[in-house]
Amino acid sequence: DAKTTQPNSMESNEEEPVHLPCNHSTISGTDYIHWYRQLPSQGPEYVIHGLTSNVNNRMASLAIAEDRKSSTLILHRATLRDAAVYYCILRDEGAQKLVFGQGTRLTINP
Amino acid sequence: GAVVSQHPSRVICKSGTSVKIECRSLDFQATTMFWYRQFPKKSLMLMATSNEGSKATYEQGVEKDKFLINHASLTLSTLTVTSAHPEDSSFYICSAKLAGRGQPQHFGDGTRLSIL
Repeated sequence: DAKTTQPNSMESNEEEPVHLPCNHSTISGTDYIHWYRQLPSQGPEYVIHGLTSNVNNRMASLAIAEDRKSSTLILHRATLRDAAVYYCILRDEGAQKLVFGQGTRLTINP
Repeated sequence: GAVVSQHPSRVICKSGTSVKIECRSLDFQATTMFWYRQFPKKSLMLMATSNEGSKATYEQGVEKDKFLINHASLTLSTLTVTSAHPEDSSFYICSAKLAGRGQPQHFGDGTRLSIL
């Protein structure tokens, strides 16, 4: 699986939007971009995934650059419960496993 | 939908005992499940891929005789840590993948294993 690069940590304020960046310059044409998050003492939680087009769901939005070498996870209005480690992972469409990097630790200030 | 249940959530036991952790997909069938371990402040490390009806595929460096995986049905995979020692203490997490290309994985809540 191609590697991703994320900032180690980010901080934001409650009720403000949060943009979490991810660089993946070696992405291949069949790699899906997956985002997961992990709250303390819990298993990871699926957030969103996409291939080429921007994606929206009830949790977040995923903005994918036109060249697909970077993407941004957008939390539209952060709450304290969004404090977690966010992982951006590439996985080939035919692959099974996920390989986790270090992720971004997001802190939300009240 | 796509709920994965893991049991037990916490285990404390003496060194030398074997511990079994169960992972169930509650509302879907999972031909493939995955087992991870996670040390404090670290990321998840994939241990093995569990395939229904066949042998598990272990990642490099993971002892298959130490970490026994059984995936006897489409909704249940088990991980048995044999003859556990304090260095096996960790957070163990399972996941299951929905069928189809590009589908996400869904994770259990993890099992915190403490070996005294």
